[in-house]
Amino acid sequence: AQRVTQPEKLLSVFKGAPVELKCNYSYSGSPELFWYVQYSRQRLQLLLRHISRESIKGFTADLNKGETSFHLKKPFAQEEDSAMYYCALEREYGNKLVFGAGTILRVKS
Amino acid sequence: NAGVMQNPRHLVRRRGQEARLRCSPMKGHSHVYWYRQLPEEGLKFMVYLQKENIIDESGMPKERFSAEFPKEGPSILRIQQVVRGDSAAYFCASSPRQAGGDSPLHFGNGTRLTVT
Repeated sequence: AQRVTQPEKLLSVFKGAPVELKCNYSYSGSPELFWYVQYSRQRLQLLLRHISRESIKGFTADLNKGETSFHLKKPFAQEEDSAMYYCALEREYGNKLVFGAGTILRVKS
Repeated sequence: NAGVMQNPRHLVRRRGQEARLRCSPMKGHSHVYWYRQLPEEGLKFMVYLQKENIIDESGMPKERFSAEFPKEGPSILRIQQVVRGDSAAYFCASSPRQAGGDSPLHFGNGTRLTVT
């Protein structure tokens, strides 16, 4: 069965510090991986997906098939990055996303 | 485009009553997904529907839960004879095609169900 693990419920960093939100997955095929973000009082929205290999709001994520990880990184955290972050996996021929439990990122000034 | 609209935002039901949650997808989207978020847990897939068809209901509890997406009108998630364990946030998402890399999900604000 597919599974997405986000080991940290809460990650607290100071403004300007590097951020790494961990995500590990288990899936035997070739998954598509996503990061979704939910800012306070807003709806869940797509942040980035591994196939596009893009940087959004300074965040990047690299799919590491050997370690089955898709960690989200940003070199310098900003206060407006404070939010709930969800890692999600879509199966190769699937039609639904499997989400991790989410990590709350708090950026302190 | 108003985005995915869910109503009500908050719903309180007594044990044994029925709960009906509505979801209007984004304009032009014909694929709807329902997710449930229990306290302290992540989003759990429940059901995937296209107009008039249930495509995947592998995440739906076997009893008391049903979903539909009629030709006209919103998608409805129905919970009969609610119990306290049904208290959760229920999220609806839509996409223009089967969700995936080029067709990300667009989420509603969710309905928070409280069973007393």
